[in-house]
Amino acid sequence: GAVVSQHPSWVICKSGTSVKIECRSLDFQATTMFWYRQFPKQSLMLMATSNEGSKATYEQGVEKDKFLINHASLTLSTLTVTSAHPEDSSFYICSASPGTGSEQYFGPGTRLTVT
Amino acid sequence: QKEVEQNSGPLSVPEGAIASLNCTYSDRGSQSFFWYRQYSGKSPELIMSIYSNGDKEDGRFTAQLNKASQYVSLLIRDSQPSDSATYLCAVQRGGADGLTFGKGTHLIIQP
Repeated sequence: GAVVSQHPSWVICKSGTSVKIECRSLDFQATTMFWYRQFPKQSLMLMATSNEGSKATYEQGVEKDKFLINHASLTLSTLTVTSAHPEDSSFYICSASPGTGSEQYFGPGTRLTVT
Repeated sequence: QKEVEQNSGPLSVPEGAIASLNCTYSDRGSQSFFWYRQYSGKSPELIMSIYSNGDKEDGRFTAQLNKASQYVSLLIRDSQPSDSATYLCAVQRGGADGLTFGKGTHLIIQP
């Protein structure tokens, strides 16, 4: 149980284009989903928290107009990187929680390369 | 600013020995504490969670928490080469909050 999937697993895009990443909880309903980013040799950094049916809460320094998050259902959250630039190249990982106080389960991650 | 500190290593341990990983955190309001294992190029995998002071054992793994000292540790007994990975310590303030991660300790188990 507690499986989280992400799609795509890797993507290469050109600078200036937008990329959408999907995060799905496969066997539980996720009231809250989280988006993290990990640069090489660095740890995971929380980007934003999304709750189903409400606006995402972004961490300080994360541009909400650049990283659009939609949590339209209890099993799906999407992260859209708009007008991507090479410095946005990173490993994007989502996690999902069945409820407050529950553990977070991580998706397999999406490796984004912007050329 | 919330910080989680870990020795980056590498920490080299002979096969069969005990590996000891440590972590300190700055936010005294932290309530939940986690150890994740991350293999290169993969996402983190939950190893242990601990919420109250003391020890928590699960198989070969024991997590220890001391909130007064703001210190969390993970012991791995009978270390195996497959335990070689980066171990991330993570803390959470409230049940609905995201996790704050340390930079991880690179553990190498030598056969």
